[in-house]
Amino acid sequence: KAGVTQTPRYLIKTRGQQVTLSCSPISGHRSVSWYQQTPGQGLQFLFEYFSETQRNKGNFPGRFSGRQFSNSRSEMNVSTLELGDSALYLCASSRRGLNTEAFFGQGTRLTVV
Amino acid sequence: DQQVKQNSPSLSVQEGRISILNCDYTNSMFDYFLWYKKYPAEGPTFLISISSIKDKNEDGRFTVFLNKSAKHLSLHIVPSQPGDSAVYFCAASETNYGGATNKLIFGTGTLLAVQP
Repeated sequence: KAGVTQTPRYLIKTRGQQVTLSCSPISGHRSVSWYQQTPGQGLQFLFEYFSETQRNKGNFPGRFSGRQFSNSRSEMNVSTLELGDSALYLCASSRRGLNTEAFFGQGTRLTVV
Repeated sequence: DQQVKQNSPSLSVQEGRISILNCDYTNSMFDYFLWYKKYPAEGPTFLISISSIKDKNEDGRFTVFLNKSAKHLSLHIVPSQPGDSAVYFCAASETNYGGATNKLIFGTGTLLAVQP
């Protein structure tokens, strides 16, 4: 069965621009979470969506937002990009989200110049 | 405040020997723990998990031990193989029955190198 698919794999943007990343979860999975991985901070939770509703949010500024569609696909948006937003953005899906294993996509490598 | 800590940034082990990766946590409300393996430029791959009602879970060469009183868990890999070389992340979550959650708090990872 197909895994978690993230697009695009790589992205280069300039400061001040905005970016939208996409995540297609494993079929049947209704929970989608987003994480940011940076060398200094490790993997940090951004937010989680379940059945089109944001259930949980990490400690990131409002420039980071997301949404989930009825087919469970999710997008995250970062507006007014800063150099510090350069990171690997990972999406994870799980069946219900409650103490079930999350399966990660390969990530989108965002570079802000 | 780092709620999940992996104090060893790296570990080197000989092929065939045991690899022991450690993880400490501070939040006593965490009730589910997971280990992930990650290769460069790829997403983490789920390895094994354990609920806080257990103290051990085994899956093939991988065993996770949980010591709740010490707020410590460890991953044992026996025997270690060169293909196990990767970064290993420990993660924890807290069940929120009010809203449910799949928020994972990750440690900073341990780079395991298994020498042939």
